[in-house]
Amino acid sequence: AQSVTQPDIHITVSEGASLELRCNYSYGATPYLFWYVQSPGQGLQLLLKYFSGDTLVQGIKGFEAEFKRSQSSFNLRKPSVHWSDAAEYFCAVGPSGNTGKLIFGQGTTLQVKP
Amino acid sequence: DTAVSQTPKYLVTQMGNDKSIKCEQNLGHDTMYWYKQDSKKFLKIMFSYNNKELIINETVPNRFSPKSPDKAHLNLHINSLELGDSAVYFCASSHTFTLGPGELFFGEGSRLTVL
Repeated sequence: AQSVTQPDIHITVSEGASLELRCNYSYGATPYLFWYVQSPGQGLQLLLKYFSGDTLVQGIKGFEAEFKRSQSSFNLRKPSVHWSDAAEYFCAVGPSGNTGKLIFGQGTTLQVKP
Repeated sequence: DTAVSQTPKYLVTQMGNDKSIKCEQNLGHDTMYWYKQDSKKFLKIMFSYNNKELIINETVPNRFSPKSPDKAHLNLHINSLELGDSAVYFCASSHTFTLGPGELFFGEGSRLTVL
């Protein structure tokens, strides 16, 4: 069965420090992979996505992610975190079945220390 | 100009009541979704409609009934509300799923509290 695991429920980093959020997936074929961010009280916004091609993808707000097929991972990175990056981050994989359904991980809460 | 809008944003009601949440998108997408986010922030799909046709119906109690009057609208009606229905409900839309999963555009969520 398809699944997504985000091993870190909560991460705290200092402002200006680098960030890496982990995402591991289980999928039978080449997956489509996504990272979404949810700010408090808001809906989810797409940060970046991987469909095919270059395994290092760039997204908005200075984020990037690298698809590693051998490790079934799609980790999200940012070289220097800003206080406004504090939010909930979700990794997602799809499609599931023939419906285009996305399966989300349980999320990682990012706290940024001044 | 909000892309995916849902109303109401907050809903507090008593057990046993019936309530509805409405969703509209102005992105020209033909696929719309309802997701439920529980207290642990876990997101789970409930329903999906493509061009007004139901294509995803997860294991959801039949007290939940979606309705899509046209491809720009997807409403969620909940009968006989229970405490466990308390959650944030997100509406989302995307281009047709037959092209592969595209970006989901989410509404801001409707926080339902059942007392």
